[in-house]
Amino acid sequence: GENVEQHPSTLSVQEGDSAVIKCTYSDSASNYFPWYKQELGKGPQLIIDIRSNVGEKKDQRIAVTLNKTAKHFSLHITETQPEDSAVYFCAAPGSGANSKLTFGKGITLSVRP
Amino acid sequence: DAMVIQNPRYQVTQFGKPVTLSCSQTLNHNVMYWYQQKSSQAPKLLFHYYDKDFNNEADTPDNFQSRRPNTSFCFLDIRSPGLGDAAMYLCATSKDGTPRLGWLFFGSGTQLSVL
Repeated sequence: GENVEQHPSTLSVQEGDSAVIKCTYSDSASNYFPWYKQELGKGPQLIIDIRSNVGEKKDQRIAVTLNKTAKHFSLHITETQPEDSAVYFCAAPGSGANSKLTFGKGITLSVRP
Repeated sequence: DAMVIQNPRYQVTQFGKPVTLSCSQTLNHNVMYWYQQKSSQAPKLLFHYYDKDFNNEADTPDNFQSRRPNTSFCFLDIRSPGLGDAAMYLCATSKDGTPRLGWLFFGSGTQLSVL
């Protein structure tokens, strides 16, 4: 099955700085890569996703980049704000007719005011 | 707004006392999932329903069961909760089983405590 790893496990940045969270996957057939944000006491919410035929996608302050050769994708948050503080999960589906999302262990992002 | 709703938000049960968690959706999605999330860990898939077809993950304990009486509702039954079953339980839906943009929608979860 798919194996998804996130690095680092925690990240602290100053408000206004950029944050980059990297995720690696093992199954080269994975073709869809979402990022979820989970605030304390809530369920994960999709914030951005990308398909394997695209190298980069942006949505206001967030962007995702994909390197299929190296099998990694990264979440970029610019001009960080305190409300960006949360746990961020990456995921990948693996391959096959019954593929399901495998999540990374998550990274806790803290934005210092 | 269309959404995935989980009740209750917090559930306390006693060791060994059966408990049922519920999930409803207004998205009219075909697939409903149950995930278990322990503190500081990734969500772990327990099982899912594709329409009425039940699909159990190989490592899901027999203590966990699920029912889907109709498209909108899905239940998680824990027959004899142990202390290790204390966790956040997340319900999620998808329109179909094919990974694509905006694929998986989560509810807010039920935090289960076992005393």
